Amino acid sequence: NAGVTQTPKFRILKIGQSMTLQCAQDMNHNYMYWYRQDPGMGLKLIYYSVGAGITDKGEVPNGYNVSRSTTEDFPLRLELAAPSQTSVYFCASSYSVGEQYFGPGTRLTVT
Amino acid sequence: GQQLNQSPQSMFIQEGEDVSMNCTSSSIFNTWLWYKQDPGEGPVLLIALYKAGELTSNGRLTAQFGITRKDSFLNISASIPSDVGIYFCAGQLQGGSEKLVFGKGTKLTVNP
Repeated sequence: NAGVTQTPKFRILKIGQSMTLQCAQDMNHNYMYWYRQDPGMGLKLIYYSVGAGITDKGEVPNGYNVSRSTTEDFPLRLELAAPSQTSVYFCASSYSVGEQYFGPGTRLTVT
Repeated sequence: GQQLNQSPQSMFIQEGEDVSMNCTSSSIFNTWLWYKQDPGEGPVLLIALYKAGELTSNGRLTAQFGITRKDSFLNISASIPSDVGIYFCAGQLQGGSEKLVFGKGTKLTVNP
C-alpha cells in the first residue's frame, strides 16, 4: 500500500513551458486535492475532486487544469508556466472530507 | 475565504518542555484535524477530532475539539528534538463543505 504518490519530485521549467504533475493513490479514496505551498506559507487549494469525472476549483485555480478519469489518478496540468507558479505542490486524498493523506510533494521552479 | 487563526506562529522551547498551540475561528466546524510537516516532506495526519469536547491522544500528543466548535488545541508533552517541524490545524466547516480550511502553521523548534 503506497498511499499517495507524486511524480516528479523536482522539476525546473522555463517560462511558457507546460507540464503535468502526476498524483496517484491506492486507497480507493473518492476525494482528491491539489495544494500549493509557497516558502514559509500554508497550503492553498488549487483544485479538488469528489469522484471520477467530477472536479471543482479551489482558492487559486488560475493557470492550472485538472482531470479525474479514474478513482486512482488526479493529474495537475500547468499551461504556460510563469515564475509565480514556483512552489511546492502537494496532492492529497481522503475517503471523506476529513483525514486527508498527503503525498511527498513536487518541487517546481519556473525560471 | 474562511480563516483559521493559528497561534503561536513559532515557538522555541527546550527539550522536555510541554507545548501548547491552538486554532480559533469565528465559524463553526464539524471536524478538526492536526497535521505535522517535516522539512521537505508532505503533512502527516496526527489527530482527527469529530465531536465537540472530544479529547484524543496520540502518544505524547493530545488534541481537543473545543466546546463551542470554533476552536481546537494541541498539546505536546515532554518535547523531544524530533518534534521539530510545522504543525497545521485544519477543519471542515459546518454545512458539509467538501474542502478543509487550513491554519497557517506553528513552527516548533526544540533545543536539545
